[in-house]
Amino acid sequence: DAGVIQSPRHEVTEMGQEVTLRCKPISGHDYLFWYRQTMMRGLELLIYFNNNVPIDDSGMPEDRFSAKMPNASFSTLKIQPSEPRDSAVYFCASSQRGRGSAQYFGPGTRLLVL
Amino acid sequence: SQQGEEDPQALSIQEGENATMNCSYKTSINNLQWYRQNSGRGLVHLILIRSNEREKHSGRLRVTLDTSKKSSSLLITASRAADTASYFCATDATSSGSRLTFGEGTQLTVNP
Repeated sequence: DAGVIQSPRHEVTEMGQEVTLRCKPISGHDYLFWYRQTMMRGLELLIYFNNNVPIDDSGMPEDRFSAKMPNASFSTLKIQPSEPRDSAVYFCASSQRGRGSAQYFGPGTRLLVL
Repeated sequence: SQQGEEDPQALSIQEGENATMNCSYKTSINNLQWYRQNSGRGLVHLILIRSNEREKHSGRLRVTLDTSKKSSSLLITASRAADTASYFCATDATSSGSRLTFGEGTQLTVNP
């Protein structure tokens, strides 16, 4: 298996622009997680899905952030409009089951908003 | 504050020595997991220990869990330079559904 795939790997954009991050989870995994990692705040869970349905979005910082999972093999995290404080590494992870399962992380998208 | 807090924040040892990292947490948990992150990479799952387990081994890794003290430790024996990475504990609180809460991590440096 190719593991969790994320694109792009790096993104540099200007404040106010829309940013879309993409994730393909491991086939057969029912759960998908979006995380953000910064030096100041560490690794934060933004949202997670079970069988394509958002279950917990309490970590989404504000309305500028939105996430979708239209099917079992694809998810997007969108930031519109982007701000410099959104600069971070965004990780997607998937797991076969929820509680009690290991999570498998993608390589991350390094986002820089100027 | 983070559910899991690792101690120490940074650890530097010589190759061949053992490395011990500790994690404390605040609420009741179902299980606790340890992950490794190499610089510029995603996290990699190492080991999961359930709340009714006290110790678990995987290769050179040994994890202990003390639910009465709300703490866990990760021991890496006979360390290698390739073990250089950040190590995170992640807790699955009983009230959190499938959410994992990660600690701030311990940066381990193994000098050759």
